[in-house]
Amino acid sequence: NAGVTQTPKFQVLKTGQSMTLQCAQDMNHEYMSWYRQDPGMGLRLIHYSVGAGITDQGEVPNGYNVSRSTTEDFPLRLLSAAPSQTSVYFCASSGVRGLDYNEQFFGPGTRLTVL
Amino acid sequence: GNSVTQMEGPVTLSEEAFLTINCTYTATGYPSLFWYVQYPGEGLQLLLKATKADDKGSNKGFEATYRKETTSFHLEKGSVQVSDSAVYFCALRASGGSNYKLTFGKGTLLTVNP
Repeated sequence: NAGVTQTPKFQVLKTGQSMTLQCAQDMNHEYMSWYRQDPGMGLRLIHYSVGAGITDQGEVPNGYNVSRSTTEDFPLRLLSAAPSQTSVYFCASSGVRGLDYNEQFFGPGTRLTVL
Repeated sequence: GNSVTQMEGPVTLSEEAFLTINCTYTATGYPSLFWYVQYPGEGLQLLLKATKADDKGSNKGFEATYRKETTSFHLEKGSVQVSDSAVYFCALRASGGSNYKLTFGKGTLLTVNP
């Protein structure tokens, strides 16, 4: 199992550019989520999904879009990047029942800089 | 709403010292509690968890006990190693069968010197 994979690892954008951060998992997990990590702020939930075709907003959703067309993939789209979106982004997944329910698995992160 | 408060860092210790990182929470009902660890340049990994009051989670020499009466889940280790240097996050998941979201504390940076 590759677990949770994220691409790219690093990205630099100019203000106003758009891009998609990719996230995939091979554990057949129903729940997937995106967090951003900023110094002194911990991790904050951006968007999450409990299955294909189902997404919902987290704590800080503004400026981000998501979709979930398959169980495996959960891309995060920045429509018009702003310097305030400079951050490290983590994707995470978990099952929704049984032993898989109590652990979220995290990807290695994408470090994004917006100039 | 739900929240997690953990001690501010950074924490610097010498090898073999005793470690405590305090964590308290606010939530209704009986949340599940977690400690995650983030090594430099990596994502978060689950360190230990407790899902009901008085449960003790343990892993790699770390322990934490779910104290409902004090709404706390303090992380302890009796003898830290240089390899324990990392950022530690306390987190909770609210009770309720369909609630999967985690609420994190701000993290505590631990540095262990030889």
